Amino acid sequence: DGGITQSPKYLFRKEGQNVTLSCEQNLNHDAMYWYRQDPGQGLRLIYYSQIVNDFQKGDIAEGYSVSREKKESFPLTVTSAQKNPTAFYLCASQGQGGGKLFFGSGTQLSVL
Amino acid sequence: EDKVVQSPLSLVVHEGDTVTLNCSYEVTNFRSLLWYKQEKKAPTFLFMLTSSGIEKKSGRLSSILDKKELFSILNITATQTGDSAVYLCAVTSSNTGKLIFGQGTTLQVKP
Repeated sequence: DGGITQSPKYLFRKEGQNVTLSCEQNLNHDAMYWYRQDPGQGLRLIYYSQIVNDFQKGDIAEGYSVSREKKESFPLTVTSAQKNPTAFYLCASQGQGGGKLFFGSGTQLSVL
Repeated sequence: EDKVVQSPLSLVVHEGDTVTLNCSYEVTNFRSLLWYKQEKKAPTFLFMLTSSGIEKKSGRLSSILDKKELFSILNITATQTGDSAVYLCAVTSSNTGKLIFGQGTTLQVKP
């Protein structure tokens, strides 16, 4: 089935630890996005990528890093520099021409 | 700076009421505006709007875009408890390729 897969569903981070959230899509989409959602709030853009080997910072990129080595994959690393990482993280992909976003099912990250 | 603002932030209505959710935006080189419904985890797509004045409709939901005044509305008629959700508006810029979301409107429909 075509779609976008995020893993894991739940992730716990110890203080000082880097953790990586996976996002894979088989929709052949060029554009991919990472959003953070805090309780009761909308989605805030962390990073986005329009094409392989290229990505741009969103509005809240500090403390996060990404890579886009393959079209299908856009992993997000939450580094130890991100002091308040507890949130729900959503990955999305978008086809050409600014069409609708396809979302993964999200990863809930919590701090131990 | 590109910006999307939704109002109201939260709304409580009773079944059968009609609601109107608002989304205003400031974005360089507007490409499209999208509406999503988020009940639990992943948002589900409702509408994509690119042209002014053309209403999109799906059952009891409808939406329209005004590119001159830079806003969109989402209408829900004869609301049901299953309409309770967060409704998200997002705008794409063809300049940057960014897709920016508003804060969302939390709708609660009481029986």
